[in-house]
Amino acid sequence: EAQVTQNPRYLITVTGKKLTVTCSQNMNHEYMSWYRQDPGLGLRQIYYSMNVEVTDKGDVPEGYKVSRKEKRNFPLILESPSPNQTSLYFCASSQDRGLTEAFFGQGTRLTVV
Amino acid sequence: QKEVEQDPGPLSVPEGAIVSLNCTYSNSAFQYFMWYRQYSRKGPELLMYTYSSGNKEDGRFTAQVDKSSKYISLFIRDSQPSDSATYLCAMSPPWGGNLIFGKGTKLSVKP
Repeated sequence: EAQVTQNPRYLITVTGKKLTVTCSQNMNHEYMSWYRQDPGLGLRQIYYSMNVEVTDKGDVPEGYKVSRKEKRNFPLILESPSPNQTSLYFCASSQDRGLTEAFFGQGTRLTVV
Repeated sequence: QKEVEQDPGPLSVPEGAIVSLNCTYSNSAFQYFMWYRQYSRKGPELLMYTYSSGNKEDGRFTAQVDKSSKYISLFIRDSQPSDSATYLCAMSPPWGGNLIFGKGTKLSVKP
């Protein structure tokens, strides 16, 4: 079954404690991206990757890092989380650069206290 | 002016109604236009995408793009309670990578 898997699904952490949200896809897609979804603000792109070792900033990259060492994995790293990063996070993958058929993960609900 | 504008609703219609959802945008470079459906506590799922201007139909769903007016629409015919969800428009430029979403319209179809 084609899928994008994120872990963990829920996470509560404290300010400043580094964390990583993992994302893995089994469709051999080249393009992967991270989004955060906030009430009243909608879905906003954090980072995207067009291939292994190729990443670029989206609209809200501040406070986040990503890496793409393997095609299937695209982890999101918060080096020093702050309460304003409390949000619902989605990873997505797509075969084409227009991201026209993006598959989304189930989401990770992060709370930073 | 925001890049993509979408009325958040909520929109409530009776079962069987025709639903019209729309977005406007400001960036004339956008070339790919998508509609996603998101059920509560789930990730968005792609409904349809179109490239440049024109219409596209898939079952009860029709997507329209008018690039001259910078306006896209999604029509749902014979709406069902299972269509109750938030509908998100999204678009990207031809060089790809950067996907911009509208804030979503929450739709409720009453039996």
